[in-house]
Amino acid sequence: NAGVTQTPKFRVLKTGQSMTLLCAQDMNHEYMYWYRQDPGMGLRLIHYSVGEGTTAKGEVPDGYNVSRLKKQNFLLGLESAAPSQTSVYFCASSYSRTSMNTEAFFGQGTRLTVV
Amino acid sequence: AQSVAQPEDQVNVAEGNPLTVKCTYSVSGNPYLFWYVQYPNRGLQFLLKYITGDNLVKGSYGFEAEFNKSQTSFHLKKPSALVSDSALYFCAVRDPPLTSGTYKYIFGTGTRLKVLA
Repeated sequence: NAGVTQTPKFRVLKTGQSMTLLCAQDMNHEYMYWYRQDPGMGLRLIHYSVGEGTTAKGEVPDGYNVSRLKKQNFLLGLESAAPSQTSVYFCASSYSRTSMNTEAFFGQGTRLTVV
Repeated sequence: AQSVAQPEDQVNVAEGNPLTVKCTYSVSGNPYLFWYVQYPNRGLQFLLKYITGDNLVKGSYGFEAEFNKSQTSFHLKKPSALVSDSALYFCAVRDPPLTSGTYKYIFGTGTRLKVLA
């Protein structure tokens, strides 16, 4: 059981380049999330999804887009990377509100550097 | 707005001594509270949670946390610290349901625990 898998694990981009981060979960979770982690700021929610085909903005959505075409996958896109997007990105997933299993499960993270 | 505060950026404790990592929250309704640990270059690992019931909850690796509604706190504790407990600890609260029924996890800024041999 792999849990939550993120690819790639590391990436260096030049300013203005685009890329997609992939998150895959094999736990049949309804909810999925993208967070970024920056020193002293904890984890901030970028976008989230409560089901296949649905997405919503989190706390810091600007400069990012997401898609959830399949229940198990949640993609995070950067259309035109900026140095301010240098961060560690974490994907997480959880069961829906009707489940007693309330905790979120996290991937190992993607370290992105924009130069 | 819902929020979580971890007032200490770093906590130092000697091995074998008890440890406490503090967390306070602000949330409307009944809070769902969580503690996660992050080791270097790793993702977050779930430690324990409070949903309802006993105010003292036990979790992984000998950790426990005490929910105090009157003080709106959820402090993480361990009776005897190990060097291997050194890591970054995050407190989190789950957003109460909105009209769309979403559940967002709101995290504190993290507390770095250093256990000294």
